[in-house]
Amino acid sequence: AQSVTQPDIHITVSEGASLELRCNYSYGATPYLFWYVQSPGQGLQLLLKYFSGDTLVQGIKGFEAEFKRSQSSFNLRKPSVHWSDAAEYFCAVGAFNTDKLIFGTGTRLQVFP
Amino acid sequence: DTGVSQNPRHKITKRGQNVTFRCDPISEHNRLYWYRQTLGQGPEFLTYFQNEAQLEKSRLLSDRFSAERPKGSFSTLEIQRTEQGDSAMYLCASSFPPFSGERETQYFGPGTRLLVL
Repeated sequence: AQSVTQPDIHITVSEGASLELRCNYSYGATPYLFWYVQSPGQGLQLLLKYFSGDTLVQGIKGFEAEFKRSQSSFNLRKPSVHWSDAAEYFCAVGAFNTDKLIFGTGTRLQVFP
Repeated sequence: DTGVSQNPRHKITKRGQNVTFRCDPISEHNRLYWYRQTLGQGPEFLTYFQNEAQLEKSRLLSDRFSAERPKGSFSTLEIQRTEQGDSAMYLCASSFPPFSGERETQYFGPGTRLLVL
């Protein structure tokens, strides 16, 4: 069965520091992978997506993610975090033959000045 | 801006009452999805439509839940005889049809937060 694991429930970083949020997925074929961000009480905003091709994908707000098939990972990175990046981040996997997204449990990012 | 919209944004109801939520998708999207998100969890798929046809329902969608998309545009999600366990954020998303170049990218609305007392 498809699944997504986000091992870090809560991460705290200082403003200006680099960031990496981990995501591991379980799926038998090539998945479609997504990162969404959710501010408190709000819906989800798409940060970036991977369908095929270049394994390093760029997204909005300076985020990027790298698909590593051998590690079943799709980690999200940002070189320098801003205070406005504080939010909950969700990794999700979709599959070609279904239309639902399977989400991880999320990573809450806290940014200190 | 023509993003996904949901109404109401917040709903407080008493146990046993019925509630209905509305979702208006992005106009050119023919697929519409409903998800439920409880506190501290990621969204969980409930159901989805292609045009007016409901194509898949999760086992999470008990017989107290019903979703419709009568004209292939907006959708409603109704919960009958609400229970405290129904308290959650209900999210709607929409997407382009498959093989349109955008594949399965789902765009989410702001959600409806339900509190059952």
